Amino acid sequence: EDKVVQSPLSLVVHEGDTVTLNCSYEVTNFRSLLWYKQEKKAPTFLFMLTSSGIEKKSGRLSSILDKKELFSILNITATQTGDSAVYLCAVECRQGGSEKLVFGKGTKLTVNP
Amino acid sequence: KAGVTQTPRYLIKTRGQQVTLSCSPISGHRSVSWYQQTPGQGLQFLFEYFSETQRNKGNFPGRFSGRQFSNSRSEMNVSTLELGDSALYLCASSLVPLAVRSSYEQYFGPGTRLTVT
Repeated sequence: EDKVVQSPLSLVVHEGDTVTLNCSYEVTNFRSLLWYKQEKKAPTFLFMLTSSGIEKKSGRLSSILDKKELFSILNITATQTGDSAVYLCAVECRQGGSEKLVFGKGTKLTVNP
Repeated sequence: KAGVTQTPRYLIKTRGQQVTLSCSPISGHRSVSWYQQTPGQGLQFLFEYFSETQRNKGNFPGRFSGRQFSNSRSEMNVSTLELGDSALYLCASSLVPLAVRSSYEQYFGPGTRLTVT
């Protein structure tokens, strides 16, 4: 069964800290890995990663994929209270002639002032 | 540019009934994906439509179906509602389908909160 596991489940840090969120996966026919940020509303798309070792960056957020070890990390530097959210990881995999997305349970990040 | 809109925002239905949810993508976006979010199961992928064709499908029973119209608006239908179908249903639109990974970026709507009693 396809599986995506995120760790830690929750994390509390202080403003200015750097955090690393983890996403590991076991799926058949991997295609890509996606990161989302979800506050008290709909998710916001952050990154889609398809190649190992190539960092994607957007401001203070960056992410990298390791297809050999089957994991990805999401880094947030100089955290701000506005970074408080649930961060979701999803893996796109091919099954039965079509793609599907399998989501992890998310990491809840709380950034205190 | 208007964002993704979903109607209705809230809905209460009774077990056994059916429901239709609507999603209007961002202008110019031709791909619409649907998701179910519950506290227990988290976010789950339902299906993706592109150019009026279902491109991808998650592991949901046949009671969950969808369609897309020529203007890219999409509807999702759930028949014979069960208590476990109570959830937030999200749709997201993108310019290109999921398989075009080099330029994939999606935008979510606010969701429809469905309660089944």
